Amino acid sequence: EDKVVQSPLSLVVHEGDTVTLNCSYEVTNFRSLLWYKQEKKAPTFLFMLTSSGIEKKSGRLSSILDKKELFSILNITATQTGDSAIYLCAVEADTLIQGAQKLVFGQGTRLTINP
Amino acid sequence: DAGVIQSPRHEVTEMGQEVTLRCKPISGHDYLFWYRQTMMRGLELLIYFNNNVPIDDSGMPEDRFSAKMPNASFSTLKIQPSEPRDSAVYFCASSFPGRAGEQFFGPGTRLTVL
Repeated sequence: EDKVVQSPLSLVVHEGDTVTLNCSYEVTNFRSLLWYKQEKKAPTFLFMLTSSGIEKKSGRLSSILDKKELFSILNITATQTGDSAIYLCAVEADTLIQGAQKLVFGQGTRLTINP
Repeated sequence: DAGVIQSPRHEVTEMGQEVTLRCKPISGHDYLFWYRQTMMRGLELLIYFNNNVPIDDSGMPEDRFSAKMPNASFSTLKIQPSEPRDSAVYFCASSFPGRAGEQFFGPGTRLTVL
């Protein structure tokens, strides 16, 4: 069964700290790994990673994928209170149906940034 | 583009009643996904469509749940009869052809079954 596991489940830090969120996966027919941020409403897309060792960056957020060890990390530097959210990791995989893919989500990491 | 549109935004109903949730995906997207989110179970995929055809409904919890996509711009998720344990936020998401992973989520429908 396809599985995506995130750690920690919950994290509380002070503004300005750097945090690292972890995501490991066991998926058949891997295509890509994605990170989403969910504040009060719907998840919003952050990154898509398909190749090992290539870091994706967007401002203070960065992410990297290791396809050999089957994990990814999401780093946030100089955290701000606005970074408080649930961060979801998901893996896209091919299904048995040609041309169709599916997305398997982890349970999320609830990040709280205190001022 | 207005993004993925869901209605209603909030629904409160009594146990045993039929509930219908609606979704309009982003124009040009050919994937449509229905998710359910609760504190206990997180975000769960219920069913998804590709080109209006249901591809995987293994996440649908039981026969009380059904989903349809009669055309490229409309989908429904129906629960009949509803039960209190169905209370959750239901999200619809869509994505471009060949990019199922990069999904655009609607605002969700918060369902409360009393």
